[in-house]
Amino acid sequence: GNSVTQMEGPVTLSEEAFLTINCTYTATGYPSLFWYVQYPGEGLQLLLKATKADDKGSNKGFEATYRKETTSFHLEKGSVQVSDSAVYFCALSDRSTSTGAGSYQLTFGKGTKLSVIP
Amino acid sequence: ETGVTQTPRHLVMGMTNKKSLKCEQHLGHNAMYWYKQSAKKPLELMFVYSLEERVENNSVPSRFSPECPNSSHLFLHLHTLQPEDSALYLCASSQGYRDNYGYTFGSGTRLTVV
Repeated sequence: GNSVTQMEGPVTLSEEAFLTINCTYTATGYPSLFWYVQYPGEGLQLLLKATKADDKGSNKGFEATYRKETTSFHLEKGSVQVSDSAVYFCALSDRSTSTGAGSYQLTFGKGTKLSVIP
Repeated sequence: ETGVTQTPRHLVMGMTNKKSLKCEQHLGHNAMYWYKQSAKKPLELMFVYSLEERVENNSVPSRFSPECPNSSHLFLHLHTLQPEDSALYLCASSQGYRDNYGYTFGSGTRLTVV
């Protein structure tokens, strides 16, 4: 089956530090990959996505590159801000074998909490 | 606002109460989902509706009862809950049933069962 593994948190960084949150996946097909962000007291928001190998998703200074050879989709940001403090979820969308042809199953990682201190 | 609105934002209920969570989207999406988010556990998919028809029910106890009267509204009816049901309940929608474009989530309802 499909699975997503993220680095354990929490991650605490100083403002303007470099961020990497590791994400690796297993999938039976050719999945699309996503990063979602959950700010305190809010639901999940789509941060960025990549739909095929070597694609780079980017948004708000965050980037992640779809690496098929290493089955990874690590999230990076060059200079974090206090406002980036949140929980980050890696997810994949792959053809579902249990819900019928043409449908995709979304699988989430457990989430990584990031705290950025001034 | 993400386009998916959940009410109430917070709910405290006793184990013998009956309450309902509401989700509303005006994005023109055809699929809606209920997720449960508990501390230190992965997101759990509870129910999926596509074009107002329930297409998935992932072994959820019968004390949770979903309802989808139209493609814009989704409810989760709660009765005789247990303290371990305390969690953040998230509603999401997508253009099509389990499509490949990602989901839009609401802000969630924080439920506490006392």
